[in-house]
Amino acid sequence: EAQVTQNPRYLITVTGKKLTVTCSQNMNHEYMSWYRQDPGLGLRQIYYSMNVEVTDKGDVPEGYKVSRKEKRNFPLILESPSPNQTSLYFCASSFKANTEAFFGQGTRLTVV
Amino acid sequence: AQSVTQLGSHVSVSEGALVLLRCNYSSSVPPYLFWYVQYPNQGLQLLLKYTTGATLVKGINGFEAEFKKSETSFHLTKPSAHMSDAAEYFCAVTRGSYIPTFGRGTSLIVHP
Repeated sequence: EAQVTQNPRYLITVTGKKLTVTCSQNMNHEYMSWYRQDPGLGLRQIYYSMNVEVTDKGDVPEGYKVSRKEKRNFPLILESPSPNQTSLYFCASSFKANTEAFFGQGTRLTVV
Repeated sequence: AQSVTQLGSHVSVSEGALVLLRCNYSSSVPPYLFWYVQYPNQGLQLLLKYTTGATLVKGINGFEAEFKKSETSFHLTKPSAHMSDAAEYFCAVTRGSYIPTFGRGTSLIVHP
């Protein structure tokens, strides 16, 4: 089954403790991206990747890192999480950037 | 700069009534336009898309949208609302570099 898998689905952590949210897709898609969803603000793009070893900042990249060492994986790294990074995070992939995006189920992150 | 405006953060309709969710965009190049739906506790999934060709696009679950270049609009409609249509709806448009931008979302509430 074609899918985008994020882990974990829920995470509560403390300020400053490094964490990684994993994202994997099995559709051989070139384009992958991370979004955060906050009430009233919709989806805002954090980082995206056009292909392996090619990443770029989205609209709200501060406090986040990503890597794309393999085509299928695109982890989101928070080196020193802060409470303002409490949000619902989505990973998405598509064949190309302007084709249909497939979304993961989301990761609800709470930073206390 | 690319942008998407969804008019109304909440739209409330009665079951069986017409659904109209509004989306206006700005783009310096011919756009690719998408509508996604997000059910509670789930990721987004594609409802329909416009790339080129016919301006009236039909999607899943009885939804359709019409691309009107002169009005820079891509409104989503459904003739008769069903309780199961209650969800968050997002309009998205590609930027000139083909990176998608999402609107802030419209929550559709369906009353019995």
